[in-house]
Amino acid sequence: DGGITQSPKYLFRKEGQNVTLSCEQNLNHDAMYWYRQDPGQGLRLIYYSQIVNDFQKGDIAEGYSVSREKKESFPLTVTSAQKNPTAFYLCASSTQGSYNEQFFGPGTRLTVL
Amino acid sequence: GENVEQHPSTLSVQEGDSAVIKCTYSDSASNYFPWYKQELGKGPQLIIDIRSNVGEKKDQRIAVTLNKTAKHFSLHITETQPEDSAVYFCAARKGQNFVFGPGTRLSVLP
Repeated sequence: DGGITQSPKYLFRKEGQNVTLSCEQNLNHDAMYWYRQDPGQGLRLIYYSQIVNDFQKGDIAEGYSVSREKKESFPLTVTSAQKNPTAFYLCASSTQGSYNEQFFGPGTRLTVL
Repeated sequence: GENVEQHPSTLSVQEGDSAVIKCTYSDSASNYFPWYKQELGKGPQLIIDIRSNVGEKKDQRIAVTLNKTAKHFSLHITETQPEDSAVYFCAARKGQNFVFGPGTRLSVLP
């Protein structure tokens, strides 16, 4: 069964702690993305990667870091430098090419206590 | 860079009526326009998309139209059902990046 998985579904963190969100895909997609969604708002791009061992900052990269050591995996670390980390985080992937669809995972809801 | 606007932000229709959501984009180089449906607490799901070389696309009760000259595209849902209630997002793609509209919350009233 192909798709994108994110874990955990819910995550709680104390202020000042780093936390890593997992994203795995078995769609053989080259490109992967991380978005942040706040209540009642659209999706904002945090980081994206078009190929293994390469990634670029999106619109709101401050306080986040990523790695892309494997094609299937694109973990996101929310660092203590992120001032308002409580949000819904969505991972997505797509094939290369201008007309190709982007598919989303189920999301991780992060709450900072 | 690309900017996508979406209207209305909320939309209520009676079951069986049609719903229309409109988006405009700013970058004429954008060439792919997907629409997503997001249910509460879940990730967005692609429901229909259109490429820049096509003016209209239909899939059962859902259709999308694109006007490249005016740089706007619309989602049309006919014979709405309660299960159509969700938040809908439009997006525009240029190269590898997608820019999303702010979303429309559609409520279908029984």
